[in-house]
Amino acid sequence: DIEMTQSPDSLAVSLGERATINCKSTQSILYSSNNKNYLAWYQQKPGQPPKLLIYWASTRHSGVPDRFSGSGSGTDFTLTVSSLQAEDVAVYYCQQYYSTPFTFGPGTKVDVK
Amino acid sequence: EVQLVESGGGLVQPGGSLRLSCIASGFTFRTYWMTWVRQAPGKGLEWVANINEDGSEKYYVESVKGRFTISRDNAKNSLYLQINSLRAEDTALYYCARDLRVFDIWGQGTVVTVSS
Repeated sequence: DIEMTQSPDSLAVSLGERATINCKSTQSILYSSNNKNYLAWYQQKPGQPPKLLIYWASTRHSGVPDRFSGSGSGTDFTLTVSSLQAEDVAVYYCQQYYSTPFTFGPGTKVDVK
Repeated sequence: EVQLVESGGGLVQPGGSLRLSCIASGFTFRTYWMTWVRQAPGKGLEWVANINEDGSEKYYVESVKGRFTISRDNAKNSLYLQINSLRAEDTALYYCARDLRVFDIWGQGTVVTVSS
């Protein structure tokens, strides 16, 4: 199974500042035949189901603000919130969909400083 | 409106069984894979199982193999999860989600509590 790790466990960022979350997989999730990274990011606010933010490591899902961006390849990935808004307070999860069982990272909690 | 609504959760004793249901609306259910994801209280997300469009392919996380069965009824726009031999560690909020390998539509979940 592919294990996903995230860092940090939590972070507090001032409104308008940048938040950066890292995600690592225990093996490459870059599929060579299509050069796509099978990595997604989700946002989960308290009492709500997760919401898909980004897939293919860097493609924003429909309706996701452009302050959210994803980058990385192979085993190392980053989610960046370029200018944190109050409504971005949430737990963020990465997920690999390269192979089953699909696996999630443990989550990173983002708060306002 | 695209929507998934789960039901069937509850309090069950260890070793017991439950059947979770998920009713889809607002999209052509029969043309999508579907998935179950669970979240233990205060914990992260765990993918549990998925099923292809016609129910001929099913995949499970190792910890539920032989105890959980995913199924679907396309005529009823419904997804199911039969959970048997329940253990305390199965206590969680169970979500169904539309499965494009990423999960773009989620229900609100149904709570399963395993306790004596």
